[in-house]
Amino acid sequence: GAVVSQHPSWVICKSGTSVKIECRSLDFQATTMFWYRQFPKQSLMLMATSNEGSKATYEQGVEKDKFLINHASLTLSTLTVTSAHPEDSSFYICSARDRLSGAVNEQFFGPGTRLTVL
Amino acid sequence: AQSVTQPDIHITVSEGASLELRCNYSYGATPYLFWYVQSPGQGLQLLLKYFSGDTLVQGIKGFEAEFKRSQSSFNLRKPSVHWSDAAEYFCAVGSGYSIASKIIFGSGTRLSIRP
Repeated sequence: GAVVSQHPSWVICKSGTSVKIECRSLDFQATTMFWYRQFPKQSLMLMATSNEGSKATYEQGVEKDKFLINHASLTLSTLTVTSAHPEDSSFYICSARDRLSGAVNEQFFGPGTRLTVL
Repeated sequence: AQSVTQPDIHITVSEGASLELRCNYSYGATPYLFWYVQSPGQGLQLLLKYFSGDTLVQGIKGFEAEFKRSQSSFNLRKPSVHWSDAAEYFCAVGSGYSIASKIIFGSGTRLSIRP
């Protein structure tokens, strides 16, 4: 149980284009999903928290107009990197919190999406 | 504010030897504590977690961790490592009980196994 998927697992795009990454909770409903970014050999940095049906909360320093987050249903959140540039190349990981979990602060992580911007 | 420190960036141990990865946290109340493992190019796998109760926590793959409140530590241990344990290990701390509670990750410790 508690499986989170991400699609695509890797993507290569040209500079200036937009890329959408999907995060799905497969066997549970997630009122809250989180998006992280991980640079090579570094830790995970929280980018934003998304709650179903409301606007995402972005961490300090994260451009909300560049990283658009939509959490339209209890099982799907999307991250769109708009006008991507080479510096946006990174490993993006999502996580989800089970709506029914008694351990409120446990997150289940997706396998990550490798974005390369040429 | 909560924080996590993993003082060892890289550790190398011989296969079959014991392992201890250090983790210190800073948090005002009783924390939620986690250890995750990440293989290259992969997502995170939860090894174990501590929410409350017994301070010695057993996890998957033969790992265990001990919560020591007096030392603000949550060190990860394994009595005998296998070559497949080579990976990046992250300690993390979670705050509070609200729906918006975050998990903060340490900088990670890379584990290499010497044949």
